[in-house]
Amino acid sequence: QVQLQESGPGLVTPSQTLSLTCSVSGGSISSGGYYWSWIRQHPGKGLEWIGYIYSSGSSYYNPSLKTRVTISITSENQFSLNLSSVTAADTAVYYCARGPGAYWFDPWGRGTLVIVSS
Amino acid sequence: QSALTQPASVSGSPGQSITISCTGSSSDVGNYNLVSWYQHHPGKAPKVMIYDVIKRPSGVSSRFSGSKSGNTASLTISGLQAEDEADYYCCSYVGRSTLVFGGGTKLTVL
Repeated sequence: QVQLQESGPGLVTPSQTLSLTCSVSGGSISSGGYYWSWIRQHPGKGLEWIGYIYSSGSSYYNPSLKTRVTISITSENQFSLNLSSVTAADTAVYYCARGPGAYWFDPWGRGTLVIVSS
Repeated sequence: QSALTQPASVSGSPGQSITISCTGSSSDVGNYNLVSWYQHHPGKAPKVMIYDVIKRPSGVSSRFSGSKSGNTASLTISGLQAEDEADYYCCSYVGRSTLVFGGGTKLTVL
């Protein structure tokens, strides 16, 4: 059974780059056929899709974040999120998820809270 | 791309049925049969309940069903149980390899 877990700094300084890693267990990213996504939830708000990367390396991003986001596959069992020039508005719980298809997510990680503050 | 519109809250008693709506436009929900629904208990990983409007993943109770009419998708939960109390989110493909979520609905089981 595939499981995902997010990791990274819980506190990021404004204007810096937020970097998170999603570790995949029980399966391999390189086995192919899946979409690997990042999704976030601002405090007290709904979910926001950030983007995904396909096993082949093709990536797609939310147009509202496109200029600041990079999603990469970093190893057979990890993929990452880099979000540059962060502000307090980027404070959120960040989730990684696998997409059996391009349009839905299963499973998800439990999320990691990132606070942007000086 | 604006978030899809969901009611902020719905409630029902055990055993009853409830429906959560997810309203978009002819450019997203109305144009693609690519709506999914997620159950989220705070502090836990969200869980997919429905995908492609009506499909139920293996392991999800048959009490959960999805439908769509025009620009509005719906999630129906029948035989409401205490464990169903959670936040529910819809998500739709909106074209150009982009996805958008709804604002979320808090389900209270009375």
